[in-house]
Amino acid sequence: AQSVTQPDIHITVSEGASLELRCNYSYGATPYLFWYVQSPGQGLQLLLKYFSGDTLVQGIKGFEAEFKRSQSSFNLRKPSVHWSDAAEYFCAVGAQRGYSTLTFGKGTMLLVSP
Amino acid sequence: DTAVSQTPKYLVTQMGNDKSIKCEQNLGHDTMYWYKQDSKKFLKIMFSYNNKELIINETVPNRFSPKSPDKAHLNLHINSLELGDSAVYFCASSRSSVGEYGYTFGSGTRLTVV
Repeated sequence: AQSVTQPDIHITVSEGASLELRCNYSYGATPYLFWYVQSPGQGLQLLLKYFSGDTLVQGIKGFEAEFKRSQSSFNLRKPSVHWSDAAEYFCAVGAQRGYSTLTFGKGTMLLVSP
Repeated sequence: DTAVSQTPKYLVTQMGNDKSIKCEQNLGHDTMYWYKQDSKKFLKIMFSYNNKELIINETVPNRFSPKSPDKAHLNLHINSLELGDSAVYFCASSRSSVGEYGYTFGSGTRLTVV
């Protein structure tokens, strides 16, 4: 079974500074990988996904993530954080086979300071 | 026009009661899911349905009974509610059971059992 670790429970970043949120996964083959964002009281919105091809993927809202197979990582980055990016971020992994489901990490809360 | 809609958004009820949460998606997706998000924001899969058929039941107590009258709807009925059932319940859908495109989530139903 697959698993996901997000080592940082919360991170505080100054507005305008760069951001990197860490995600490590455990799965025996190449997984599907996703980053979702959840604002307070809202559902989860898909930021970006990886399932094959270019290991650097671009997403919405200026986010990108890089799949590094050797490190089993899929870290999320943004060059300049805006106050509206404050939210909970979830990394998720899925198996590349039918009838699987996404396994989510425990989330990282991003706080943005002025 | 909401892609995945859940009702109600909030549900407060007493222990021992029976309640239902409804979910509808207008995306034409084949697969639907129920996730439970606990107070620590951890998301855990409960059920997965593909074209109205139950595919995955992740050791959920049998007080929880999902029903899918058609592939656009997935409802969740909970009998004999317990304090520990208090959580946010998310419905989601995906194009296929493999989930390679990611899931689209509803905005959640916050269930409080008192």
